[in-house]
Amino acid sequence: DTGVSQDPRHKITKRGQNVTFRCDPISEHNRLYWYRQTLGQGPEFLTYFQNEAQLEKSRLLSDRFSAERPKGSFSTLEIQRTEQGDSAMYLCASIPLGGGQIYEQYFGPGTRLTVT
Amino acid sequence: DQQVKQNSPSLSVQEGRISILNCDYTNSMFDYFLWYKKYPAEGPTFLISISSIKDKNEDGRFTVFLNKSAKHLSLHIVPSQPGDSAVYFCAASPSSGTYKYIFGTGTRLKVLA
Repeated sequence: DTGVSQDPRHKITKRGQNVTFRCDPISEHNRLYWYRQTLGQGPEFLTYFQNEAQLEKSRLLSDRFSAERPKGSFSTLEIQRTEQGDSAMYLCASIPLGGGQIYEQYFGPGTRLTVT
Repeated sequence: DQQVKQNSPSLSVQEGRISILNCDYTNSMFDYFLWYKKYPAEGPTFLISISSIKDKNEDGRFTVFLNKSAKHLSLHIVPSQPGDSAVYFCAASPSSGTYKYIFGTGTRLKVLA
């Protein structure tokens, strides 16, 4: 297993366009997280899934953002009608089955989004 | 409202000396704390963690200290090595109700050879 992968690694889009990112967690990791990171800031929680259920979503996440994990394996994050303020690194992380709060998250390399 | 704060954006330390990175939090419900290291163009990687029932956890060159009354934790790296140069994030999570993590803004450590 090569770890958490994210695709694409970089995305440049024009304002108003829709974008979709994919995250493939480590096999059998049942909990999956999405974060957004901007320059000079730490990862900011967006949402997380336990298997296919989306259990929590940040209040900062507008209606333009939606995430899915239909079969409890890979996940997608879609941003509709992108705005320049959406430019950021989008990180995905996963935790193994049975992992509690103290368990480490395994992060992917991120998708860097630039909205022009 | 920044619930987890790392007030030093950067730190420079001579190779072989001790690096001390600090983290403060405001939410008394936080019970689990983790430190991550991040190199450019990579995702964060886990370093060390501590739960609130302990005040110290050690793993090789890395030690985390927790002062729950002061809502403060610190990461000590001894001895510091040039490969430790990275951005360090602390993260916190409450013991119940959510598996959500709150990250600090990070401290960029530079270890000088």
